Amino acid sequence: EEQLVESGGGLVQPGGSLRLSCAASGFTFSIYNMNWVRQAPGKGLEWVSYISSGSDTIYYADSVKGRFTVSRDTTKKSLYLQMNSLSAEDTAVYFCARGSPPQFDSWGQGTLVAVSS
Amino acid sequence: QSVLTQPPSVSAAPGQKVTISCSGSSSNIGNHYVSWYQQLPGTAPKLLIYDNNQRPSGIPDRFSGSKSGTSATLGLTGLQTGDEAEYYCATWDSSLSAAVFGGGTQLTVL
Repeated sequence: EEQLVESGGGLVQPGGSLRLSCAASGFTFSIYNMNWVRQAPGKGLEWVSYISSGSDTIYYADSVKGRFTVSRDTTKKSLYLQMNSLSAEDTAVYFCARGSPPQFDSWGQGTLVAVSS
Repeated sequence: QSVLTQPPSVSAAPGQKVTISCSGSSSNIGNHYVSWYQQLPGTAPKLLIYDNNQRPSGIPDRFSGSKSGTSATLGLTGLQTGDEAEYYCATWDSSLSAAVFGGGTQLTVL
């Protein structure tokens, strides 16, 4: 069964950092492009970042550019999102999603990041 | 404010048909494929339509997609109470070099 499982969310103070992980299983992770998409409480979906299968192409939303870094480890079948300089506006459930935008064909269950003092 | 504009809500009776619109511009919908997602409360989004009008395996043909110019439309026929959810359109925006989502449309099956 194809599965994506996010982890690493939690409560962090403004200005702090957090690293999210997304573990893939049940499919050949190395050949798929991957994304992070977030959803603030009670709000809509917001695409955050894209990384190609070979990590040679990376895109970020303007709202996180310069603060977030996406990466992947094929040997560990994992996707990562390093988040720095966090603010309250970054509070959201973060989903990892497989595919090339805008076709995200598999999603994780999400991990909640709460930024508060 | 979303780059793609969707109506906040639509409603229809069970068994009826409904359409959800998604309006954009030449930098996004006008020149890129559109996907549609269904999100039930408390769950992850689910891909319903990709490449404007293609359904992934397992998605019933009650769901359809179309695109014309800088707008796209999701159609649902034979509405069921289980279709009550938030629906999102998405595409790529070449000016932003970013994927963009619509603000979402809440479907209520009366």
